[in-house]
Amino acid sequence: KQEVTQIPAALSVPEGENLVLNCSFTDSAIYNLQWFRQDPGKGLTSLLLIQSSQREQTSGRLNASLDKSSGRSTLYIAASQPGDSATYLCAVSGNTPLVFGKGTRLSVIA
Amino acid sequence: KAGVTQTPRYLIKTRGQQVTLSCSPISGHRSVSWYQQTPGQGLQFLFEYFSETQRNKGNFPGRFSGRQFSNSRSEMNVSTLELGDSALYLCASSLESGRTEAFFGQGTRLTVV
Repeated sequence: KQEVTQIPAALSVPEGENLVLNCSFTDSAIYNLQWFRQDPGKGLTSLLLIQSSQREQTSGRLNASLDKSSGRSTLYIAASQPGDSATYLCAVSGNTPLVFGKGTRLSVIA
Repeated sequence: KAGVTQTPRYLIKTRGQQVTLSCSPISGHRSVSWYQQTPGQGLQFLFEYFSETQRNKGNFPGRFSGRQFSNSRSEMNVSTLELGDSALYLCASSLESGRTEAFFGQGTRLTVV
């Protein structure tokens, strides 16, 4: 059974800092990994999708990497801003629908 | 291009009642999945539909059911509501569930009193 873990559960950083969020999964037989952002009480916004054959994806200040063999992914956020404050979720898909981690709650302090 | 639309956004129901939630996927997407999100359990998979057929079902009681129409719109129904059913219900739309990018709606916040 696929399990996804995100560390840390919460993170507080000063504005401008670069940061890394971690995601690990137990079954490496995945189709892809997706990073989402969720603001309080809202739905999920897709940030990046990494196919299982890819090593990384970039979008603006975001860079996500995937090491399928070790079951790990990282989301790198450069030059963080207060508007980046949200919960970040990773999810993997395989023979089952998306399996989510519990998320990392990020606070960027101005 | 319109995103995923969920209605209603908020619902308050009484224990024992039933409720129907609706999800309209992105145009051209035939896969719709439903998730329940609670503070304690996080996001849990309910069911997935593709071209009007249920392809997967999560570990939820039979009170939770769903369907998909020929235009890919989907509904989920919860009967005999319990206090523990209070949650944010999220719908995801994709071209091919699990293999392509999933896009989520804003969710329906259900409160059972």
